[in-house]
Amino acid sequence: GEDVEQSLFLSVREGDSSVINCTYTDSSSTYLYWYKQEPGAGLQLLTYIFSNMDMKQDQRLTVLLNKKDKHLSLRIADTQTGDSAIYFCADFNQAGTALIFGKGTTLSVSS
Amino acid sequence: DTEVTQTPKHLVMGMTNKKSLKCEQHMGHRAMYWYKQKAKKPPELMFVYSYEKLSINESVPSRFSPECPNSSLLNLHLHALQPEDSALYLCASSQETGGGEQYFGPGTRLTVT
Repeated sequence: GEDVEQSLFLSVREGDSSVINCTYTDSSSTYLYWYKQEPGAGLQLLTYIFSNMDMKQDQRLTVLLNKKDKHLSLRIADTQTGDSAIYFCADFNQAGTALIFGKGTTLSVSS
Repeated sequence: DTEVTQTPKHLVMGMTNKKSLKCEQHMGHRAMYWYKQKAKKPPELMFVYSYEKLSINESVPSRFSPECPNSSLLNLHLHALQPEDSALYLCASSQETGGGEQYFGPGTRLTVT
């Protein structure tokens, strides 16, 4: 079945760049997503990328997609303490009916 | 406006109680979803509604009963729950099923005693 894998933890200093990585198994994916979840809150859609794109930039966020390796990354420039959260990579299942989430990467930003 | 609202924010219920969770969106989305999220885990899909009809039930126990009274509202009726059902229940919506932007509500934190 489809699977999405992420590293579980990342720790950076304020002002540095953060890079969160994700791999997925479904080669027919058309959309890939990044969500942010702060403690006790719902999921915030940060950005998503179509599978025919290699890169998408939105202010401090850069998404890179390597379809050949089925690898997705999220780069956060000038990371701030407010960026501390869990970041989920997500893909649609093969039936296109539901999101499949990775286990989430906990980003910890120290000042 | 990309807002999905959910009420209540917190709910504590006994195993014999009946309660309902509510979700609302006014983005004109025709697909609405219920997810369950346990602590430190990713969300897991429970139900999908497409054009107010239930299209997916991910083998959810019958003590959870979804309802979509109209295109803006989604309810989840709860009855005879177990303590292991305690979790964050998230509602989401998207224009259609099959892709595009899916927006989540803030969730209802449910505790079953």
